[in-house]
Amino acid sequence: KAGVTQTPRYLIKTRGQQVTLSCSPISGHRSVSWYQQTPGQGLQFLFEYFSETQRNKGNFPGRFSGRQFSNSRSEMNVSTLELGDSALYLCASTPSPERNTEAFFGQGTRLTVV
Amino acid sequence: SQELEQSPQSLIVQEGKNLTINCTSSKTLYGLYWYKQKYGEGLIFLMMLQKGGEEKSHEKITAKLDEKKQQSSLHITASQPSHAGIYLCGAGNDYKLSFGAGTTVTVRA
Repeated sequence: KAGVTQTPRYLIKTRGQQVTLSCSPISGHRSVSWYQQTPGQGLQFLFEYFSETQRNKGNFPGRFSGRQFSNSRSEMNVSTLELGDSALYLCASTPSPERNTEAFFGQGTRLTVV
Repeated sequence: SQELEQSPQSLIVQEGKNLTINCTSSKTLYGLYWYKQKYGEGLIFLMMLQKGGEEKSHEKITAKLDEKKQQSSLHITASQPSHAGIYLCGAGNDYKLSFGAGTTVTVRA
């Protein structure tokens, strides 16, 4: 069974640009969540989707957005990139829509903003 | 929001020795997750604990949940170089996970 797949693995963007990251969950998993990891702030929750609906959102500016498709694949978008957006972005999928179920992470997308 | 404090922040252990990492929550724990991360890579799921007093083991790693104390511990027996990495505890609530800052484990041969 394939794990959570995130693409691309590495990305370099210029300030002011926008970027789209993709996450394909484990087959059969319908809940997808996104996290940002930085050395200063650690792992922080961005948003969670289930059945194309956002159920929870972290404390990030509106430049960060996401969506989920009918096949459960998810994308997150960051517009007007800032240097501080440089981070490892991680996606996780869970097999159940319930709270507190096992969550499996992808390898992440390393975004560097220059 | 739920805050998790991990201790120690880092530790160095001689190969073959045991080690313990602690995770304390500011709120009641309804689900406690342990992950391992190699620097710059994704999180590897180790185990999830849901009930007070629950204890799970996988290979040489054992985790316990003390719900009353809002604490969990991760214990590694007879550490090996493959155990080196960053260990993170996470607490589940409202379809999201809140994480501790992580504990960096170095295993010396």
